[in-house]
Amino acid sequence: KNEVEQSPQNLTAQEGEFITINCSYSVGISALHWLQQHPGGGIVSLFMLSSGKKKHGRLIATINIQEKHSSLHITASHPRDSAVYICAVRTAITTGANSKLTFGKGITLSVRP
Amino acid sequence: NAGVMQNPRHLVRRRGQEARLRCSPMKGHSHVYWYRQLPEEGLKFMVYLQKENIIDESGMPKERFSAEFPKEGPSILRIQQVVRGDSAAYFCASSPPQGNTGELFFGEGSRLTVL
Repeated sequence: KNEVEQSPQNLTAQEGEFITINCSYSVGISALHWLQQHPGGGIVSLFMLSSGKKKHGRLIATINIQEKHSSLHITASHPRDSAVYICAVRTAITTGANSKLTFGKGITLSVRP
Repeated sequence: NAGVMQNPRHLVRRRGQEARLRCSPMKGHSHVYWYRQLPEEGLKFMVYLQKENIIDESGMPKERFSAEFPKEGPSILRIQQVVRGDSAAYFCASSPPQGNTGELFFGEGSRLTVL
């Protein structure tokens, strides 16, 4: 079993829909990252969370430490949101700036116009 | 303030050749991380470096792979005698010095194809 599991693996939505992407992990963590990767492109860090909730524009990320679960929500989705969304955790044994991350396989999101 | 710069963006090598991938961290960042993304797989940690020091290389294959981050110049990931299985996207990330929030800033990646 992978330490970081993401669901669903692929997701298709209609423009304007509210989208939720899930991430579950099985280890103790000090932080969780949500990353975005466009096809053939680089990786952009969307959020880093250790508790609670963060919001940036149309994106909202939440984390429940007790349940070892995080969600990424996209409101009013747009075709430009089409990308791979990757969840990554920094395990609790790593400290300071040692960002030895463990990654999920990512979810491919397609938003149709 | 330029982001993390990786080059080349695309590299084609024949089996047995050497591949050198370069990463210039963001200005003011002294920590560099290399990750590999194999086709249809997730990202995997390879190595974590600070200037002139390898801090954690637990994700590096035991042979043919090496990394450095010299006092001057970019970090380099070197793959000797490449094989087809080395074909992947290699991403570099950087972060500020100790005491930062732990945020990472990624480059665009270098895509290696081994013929």
